[in-house]
Amino acid sequence: KNEVEQSPQNLTAQEGEFITINCSYSVGISALHWLQQHPGGGIVSLFMLSSGKKKHGRLIATINIQEKHSSLHITASHPRDSAVYICAAQETSGSRLTFGEGTQLTVNP
Amino acid sequence: DVKVTQSSRYLVKRTGEKVFLECVQDMDHENMFWYRQDPGLGLRLIYFSYDVKMKEKGDIPEGYSVSREKKERFSLILESASTNQTSMYLCASSYWGTRQSSYEQYFGPGTRLTVT
Repeated sequence: KNEVEQSPQNLTAQEGEFITINCSYSVGISALHWLQQHPGGGIVSLFMLSSGKKKHGRLIATINIQEKHSSLHITASHPRDSAVYICAAQETSGSRLTFGEGTQLTVNP
Repeated sequence: DVKVTQSSRYLVKRTGEKVFLECVQDMDHENMFWYRQDPGLGLRLIYFSYDVKMKEKGDIPEGYSVSREKKERFSLILESASTNQTSMYLCASSYWGTRQSSYEQYFGPGTRLTVT
């Protein structure tokens, strides 16, 4: 079973700061997912990546397959970025995801 | 836009009641999933289904069953609700993923179930 560890668990930042959330996993995967969950529960997929780097607006996700590590970066953070960010490892044999516990991000104005 | 809907946002049931949570997706996805989310434990897979009438146990299937009679609909059943099943329940769907291809999961809004 793939274990997924996220750090930090909680993160507080000032508006405009550069933010990094880290994710490590223990075995081989077919893809690594980053998800965002706002208060109220809704979860949206931010990125799905199996190598390299992806960028969407102010969000950047990177993955290092050899080190079994991924990072989510937020540039020029804004209070609306406040949410729980979850990484999830997709098993090589199919569609199941194993989730990290999530990182609660709070960006203060 | 993909839409995954769940039958209720909030539900309060009594211990011992039979509870049905329903999930419907409109994207013709093969896979559907039921998760529960608890503080400090993250999202945990209860059951998933990769086709009509097909199901596989997830990490915490005890006390739950599922039904998938139509491709777009996946039901989670609590045969006899207990207080330790008080949780947020999230449904998701995706296309079938393999080693060669991966697909993101689309989540419903969640059902916050309280069992008293």
